[in-house]
Amino acid sequence: DGGITQSPKYLFRKEGQNVTLSCEQNLNHDAMYWYRQDPGQGLRLIYYSQIVNDFQKGDIAEGYSVSREKKESFPLTVTSAQKNPTAFYLCASRHRRGTNYGYTFGSGTRLTVV
Amino acid sequence: KNEVEQSPQNLTAQEGEFITINCSYSVGISALHWLQQHPGGGIVSLFMLSSGKKKHGRLIATINIQEKHSSLHITASHPRDSAVYICAAPTRGGDKLTFGTGTRLAVRP
Repeated sequence: DGGITQSPKYLFRKEGQNVTLSCEQNLNHDAMYWYRQDPGQGLRLIYYSQIVNDFQKGDIAEGYSVSREKKESFPLTVTSAQKNPTAFYLCASRHRRGTNYGYTFGSGTRLTVV
Repeated sequence: KNEVEQSPQNLTAQEGEFITINCSYSVGISALHWLQQHPGGGIVSLFMLSSGKKKHGRLIATINIQEKHSSLHITASHPRDSAVYICAAPTRGGDKLTFGTGTRLAVRP
């Protein structure tokens, strides 16, 4: 079955270390997205990519980096410059059918920095 | 003011009750999403709708594009329905989603 795979589900890192979150999709979707969720807040957009080798900053891109070397993969690196990295991270992808835009979501990665 | 607002923020119901969660949005949209987030954090897409009504099992979603309002209904609620329900609206271009802050539902047996 097609879908989005995020790994790992839980991740612990020491403060000051970079960490990379994986997001893979086998849906042949062109666009992929990374969101961050904090308690009591809605999901906020970190980065998104509409085609391979291209990506744009979202609303809270500082301290994060991404790459889109393959259509099916959109890894997110949380750098040591991110001041408060502990959060739940969600990856999504989108296909386009006429005027309807369908999104598929991963199951998320909960990052805890200690 | 958020572009997507949900109400209520928290909802407690007894098993079997009919539940309604509301979503109002100010952005122009092509379709609206209802999502379900369980305590473990994973998010499941429940509905994407651009007009009228959709039904899946005990879940019903409606949308009124002119009034920029959508509702999610749960009939005969069950404790396993306990989750956070989130509505999300794409921008007109569909490039990004704007999310509501979610409605935390607890259904008691």
